Amino acid sequence: EIALTQSPVTLSLSQGERATLSCRASQSVGNELAWYQQKPGQAPRLLIYDASNRAPGIPARFSGSGSGTDFTLTISSLEPEDFAVYYCQHHTNWLYSFGQGTKLEIK
Amino acid sequence: QVQLMQSGAEVKEPGASVKVSCKASGYNFTDSYINWVRQAPGQGLEWMGIINPSGGTTTYAQNFHGRVTVTRDTSTSTVYMELTSLRSDDTAVYYCAREPEYYDALDVWGQGTMVTVSS
Repeated sequence: EIALTQSPVTLSLSQGERATLSCRASQSVGNELAWYQQKPGQAPRLLIYDASNRAPGIPARFSGSGSGTDFTLTISSLEPEDFAVYYCQHHTNWLYSFGQGTKLEIK
Repeated sequence: QVQLMQSGAEVKEPGASVKVSCKASGYNFTDSYINWVRQAPGQGLEWMGIINPSGGTTTYAQNFHGRVTVTRDTSTSTVYMELTSLRSDDTAVYYCAREPEYYDALDVWGQGTMVTVSS
């Protein structure tokens, strides 16, 4: 099973700043990585799939990059609604794994 | 629109079983896999298992040691997740989520079902 490690655990930024979240895989996953956003009391929402493709309806300020073992989710200019928890996810051979999450909080 | 509607909250005693349903609508039920993911209070996401509604094939996370079973009823476009031998640390919100045929991610999620295990 592939382990995903996210960093930092908590990221404190202000509205309008750029956010950079990291996800590292224990072995190469190619480009098979997704990112989700979760707000309190809500189900997760898919943001990015296949490392860099935005899901339908996701604003352009969200972008994903990386391949192999190192991936990044970037939010170019934080809006108030972007403060949430973010998870990366991978699956191979019908086995899914999630990172432990990064909490993006208001500074 | 594509929706996954889950059954309501449950309270169970330790050692009991729980069965949560997930009814799909707005798309061809057999075209997409359904996953189950849970989230304990204040914790992260934990993947439990997946079913191919077309043939009923399943795969489960090893963490559950045979305690989880996912089934489907194609006549009602409903997927079920049963968890047995419940313990207090099974207290969590349980989500079903769709994996569409065209990419490896979970694009639509149910609203979640709170399962509380308590004596």
